[in-house]
Amino acid sequence: DTGVSQDPRHKITKRGQNVTFRCDPISEHNRLYWYRQTLGQGPEFLTYFQNEAQLEKSRLLSDRFSAERPKGSFSTLEIQRTEQGDSAMYLCASSKGGTQETQYFGPGTRLLVL
Amino acid sequence: DAKTTQPTSMDCAEGRAANLPCNHSTISGNEYVYWYRQIHSQGPQYIIHGLKNNETNEMASLIITEDRKSSTLILPHATLRDTAVYYCIVRASNDYKLSFGAGTTVTVRA
Repeated sequence: DTGVSQDPRHKITKRGQNVTFRCDPISEHNRLYWYRQTLGQGPEFLTYFQNEAQLEKSRLLSDRFSAERPKGSFSTLEIQRTEQGDSAMYLCASSKGGTQETQYFGPGTRLLVL
Repeated sequence: DAKTTQPTSMDCAEGRAANLPCNHSTISGNEYVYWYRQIHSQGPQYIIHGLKNNETNEMASLIITEDRKSSTLILPHATLRDTAVYYCIVRASNDYKLSFGAGTTVTVRA
């Protein structure tokens, strides 16, 4: 399967710990997105990369959050000093870009902060 | 701000067509209509998109009204596996992010 993959699929951590999630996009896709989804809500945009450049960050992305895409391939999302409010599903998507671009989503990483 | 309005929920019978409405009365000329669905605990799945013409693929058909203020997603023969939350999203051609609303929870019943 050559879809978007995310690792880990589930993460339980204690408040105050740091966590890092990884996303591997579809191989020829140059755009990569991170979204967050809390229970009962639709996904919310967090940030976006065009190749290795991070071009947009939502105001939802506090300074405890950092995302990287060092070689324009996989991406990592790190949350420092986790809080209970960070508990959510973190979704990654990728696309080729263009006016009719279609974003394809991975399975998500479900984070629970105790 | 939500650009689309969808019913909160709907039921449909297995084997019958499911017609999912979406209102987007403030849509602009360069904005596309996208449909995604999300089966419980999975990532959203792309279904179909269109600008002004009706579109069909192996999953569904998208009917957009002539004034483009509303659209309908049609699942021709609903199965139990089509039970999901369906999101109608309006996205400008020069925008990059998808803005999801609450979607429609569709339950297909045997």
